[in-house]
Amino acid sequence: QLQLQESGPGLVKPSETLSLTCTVSGGSISSSSYYWGWIRQPPGKGLEWIGSIYYSGSTYYNPSLKSRVTISVDTSKNQFSLKLSSVTAADTAVYYCARHEFERYSSGWYNWFDPWGQGTLVTVSS
Amino acid sequence: QSVLTQPPSASGTPGQRVTISCSGSSSNIGSNTVNWYQQLPGTAPKLLIYSNNQRPSGVPDRFSGSKSGTSASLAISGLQSEDEADYYCAAWDDSLNRGVFGTGTKVTVL
Repeated sequence: QLQLQESGPGLVKPSETLSLTCTVSGGSISSSSYYWGWIRQPPGKGLEWIGSIYYSGSTYYNPSLKSRVTISVDTSKNQFSLKLSSVTAADTAVYYCARHEFERYSSGWYNWFDPWGQGTLVTVSS
Repeated sequence: QSVLTQPPSASGTPGQRVTISCSGSSSNIGSNTVNWYQQLPGTAPKLLIYSNNQRPSGVPDRFSGSKSGTSASLAISGLQSEDEADYYCAAWDDSLNRGVFGTGTKVTVL
């Protein structure tokens, strides 16, 4: 059974870089045709896709965050990571990692996340 | 702000049928598949419906999805107390070039 687990600091100072890692267990990050993604949810608010990465290193980013986001993959550790630079209080959120089905067919983009990690709250505050 | 619009709340008594709408546009629902997620209180979202109307293994057949034009719907039949949760629709948006989620609907079992 595939499981994902986020890890990283729960508190980041304004203007610094948020760094999180997602460890995948129960399956290889490089043995399938899935992407691996990051999604966040500010307290009491809705969901926002941040970006996704393929095991080869190919990435897709949310254009509204692209200038501040870097997602990388380490297949040897079965992990992928998120870096978000120049954070502000608006970046305070629960950050989730998830396996991302992401492919274009004749009927349009197939784009869903399953399964998800349990999420980790990151607070931006001095 | 979300480009997929859902009603903020929906409710029903046990056993009733509840339907949640998701309104989008030609660049998202109109041209791509729709997915639905269930988020129980204090937990991560869970995939409920993918590719408009497909249920992942383990999801009860009480949950069903449909899509017509630029709108989609999630129906919960035989509502149960454990269905009390937030529900989000989602799709890819060709104009924004990103995945988009709905505004979310809180379902209450009366």
